Amino acid sequence: GDSVTQTEGQVALSEEDFLTIHCNYSASGYPALFWYVQYPGEGPQFLFRASRDKEKGSSRGFEATYDKGTTSFHLRKASVQESDSAVYYCALGEAGYQNFYFGKGTSLTVIP
Amino acid sequence: EAAVTQSPRSKVAVTGGKVTLSCHQTNNHDYMYWYRQDTGHGLRLIHYSYVADSTEKGDIPDGYKASRPSQENFSLILELASLSQTAVYFCASSDLDSHTEVFFGKGTRLTVV
Repeated sequence: GDSVTQTEGQVALSEEDFLTIHCNYSASGYPALFWYVQYPGEGPQFLFRASRDKEKGSSRGFEATYDKGTTSFHLRKASVQESDSAVYYCALGEAGYQNFYFGKGTSLTVIP
Repeated sequence: EAAVTQSPRSKVAVTGGKVTLSCHQTNNHDYMYWYRQDTGHGLRLIHYSYVADSTEKGDIPDGYKASRPSQENFSLILELASLSQTAVYFCASSDLDSHTEVFFGKGTRLTVV
């Protein structure tokens, strides 16, 4: 079945560090890929998505590129801020299947 | 703005008791979902619905029932609550199909004692 794997469970960085959170997926079809962010006490919020190979999604300085060859959608940000501290979820959704598959989440802590 | 409202926001239930979690959306979305969030497991789908009066099983439906009496409302029912069902539950809605954004509520923290 479809699945999403996030390599890092927890990441701790200093402000202005470069962020990479790895996301790999497994799907039978050609899914759309998403990143969501969850702040304490809130539900996950949509960050951005990409729907086809080589498409780049981006928002709030975060970006990820859909790579069908390596089945990856890694989240990157050039310079993190303390306000970026949150849990980040990679997800996939397949057209025709009314379901989304979420990774286990990566908790990012940015130290000022 | 799209909105998904869950009630209650937190609840303590007794083992073996019945629990109902409620969700209301004003997005006019066809699809509604119930997810469970546990540390180390992320978000897992319990039940979903794409039309009123119909529900579908997700990945972890055992021990849960769902009800969709109208497009706006979607409930999750635990007939016999167990300790293992202590978790945070999220309701969500989306439009059309899985290539579109999902809107989440703020969650319900359920503690079964």
